Amino acid sequence: ETGVTQTPRHLVMGMTNKKSLKCEQHLGHNAMYWYKQSAKKPLELMFVYNFKEQTENNSVPSRFSPECPNSSHLFLHLHTLQPEDSALYLCASSQVRPMNTEAFFGQGTRLTVV
Amino acid sequence: AQKITQTQPGMFVQEKEAVTLDCTYDTSDQSYGLFWYKQPSSGEMIFLIYQGSYDEQNATEGRYSLNFQKARKSANLVISASQLGDSAMYFCAMREAETGANNLFFGTGTRLTVIP
Repeated sequence: ETGVTQTPRHLVMGMTNKKSLKCEQHLGHNAMYWYKQSAKKPLELMFVYNFKEQTENNSVPSRFSPECPNSSHLFLHLHTLQPEDSALYLCASSQVRPMNTEAFFGQGTRLTVV
Repeated sequence: AQKITQTQPGMFVQEKEAVTLDCTYDTSDQSYGLFWYKQPSSGEMIFLIYQGSYDEQNATEGRYSLNFQKARKSANLVISASQLGDSAMYFCAMREAETGANNLFFGTGTRLTVIP
């Protein structure tokens, strides 16, 4: 149990589907993140929320839409995805400060777009 | 430009031996932090060790230690007395003070295999 829970663990969706990934943390953290992990590429930081406010959006296509209703929950809404979006999507949380605070990760959602 | 470079896609080590996983980084910040994470096949990222840019001593955490060479911008992870359970992907990451204290940039990782 890492303290960060992601659901579902696996997801297969068609390119015309709409689905959502859910992340929940009960660590009292005030920052949450979405990362995309593709084979042989660095983890890509997609979105960052500090105190429920989005502070980072690293040129992510609009077919990915994040939502952070409170400091414990983070969603990633997916629609009209492409096959190249197939990847492991990792959620993480941390305190915003200090610098040496580590991020805690969930086990990820393995997404396959068909 | 890549902020974190891990040049070893895969490494093998004999059980009970020590192994060094390489990491170099690129930043113009004076204040930054370096992290190492382990990712077993289950997928979750497990924090191992942290080194701050102003820390004078190399970080140590049990069997993990960090060989921090600031002038060379390298932060290599040393695992001593390797165990079979150490087989996993290992990622080096960096957080820069100027870009916000909570944006962690990762390298491509090194897959470590411990041989019995």
